[in-house]
Amino acid sequence: DAGVIQSPRHEVTEMGQEVTLRCKPISGHDYLFWYRQTMMRGLELLIYFNNNVPIDDSGMPEDRFSAKMPNASFSTLKIQPSEPRDSAVYFCASSPGYRESNEKLFFGSGTQLSVL
Amino acid sequence: DAKTTQPPSMDCAEGRAANLPCNHSTISGNEYVYWYRQIHSQGPQYIIHGLKNNETNEMASLIITEDRKSSTLILPHATLRDTAVYYCIVRVAGIIFGKGTRLHILP
Repeated sequence: DAGVIQSPRHEVTEMGQEVTLRCKPISGHDYLFWYRQTMMRGLELLIYFNNNVPIDDSGMPEDRFSAKMPNASFSTLKIQPSEPRDSAVYFCASSPGYRESNEKLFFGSGTQLSVL
Repeated sequence: DAKTTQPPSMDCAEGRAANLPCNHSTISGNEYVYWYRQIHSQGPQYIIHGLKNNETNEMASLIITEDRKSSTLILPHATLRDTAVYYCIVRVAGIIFGKGTRLHILP
């Protein structure tokens, strides 16, 4: 398996523009997580899905952020409109969902987002 | 969810064992202890996990105290490639990462 695949690797955009980050989880994994990492705040959980259904979105900073998982092999994180403070590395992770291995997360390489 | 406490940074000489502590005094009976590490600019990588017993795999050993209120991750022969931030996590569902321990391996 190729692992969790994220695209793009780097995104540079201007304030006010819409940004869409993409993630393909590992096949067969039931859980998908979106994280954001900055120097100041560390690694923050934004939202996670179980079997394509959003379970906890309490980490989504505000209404400008939205996440979808239309099927088991694809998820998007959208920011509209983007702001400079959204600049960060965004990671997607997936997990098999077995009880003991529920937290055994497999991370993608991340998307480095810069909002100018 | 149980909260974890880790030292912000540690140094270890190359070739020596690196022992990274973690306190999780509020852990509940069904919560596992997981360790991840993050090498600069990469996504976190799973290392090991355990419930009650000590665990060992090809990467590390995990020692959990009998009362489960603390644990230690052991890298038996640290190399420069082990320089990373190490996260100790305790939770049943979902994952909340703390600040972790920044491990510096000294040549």
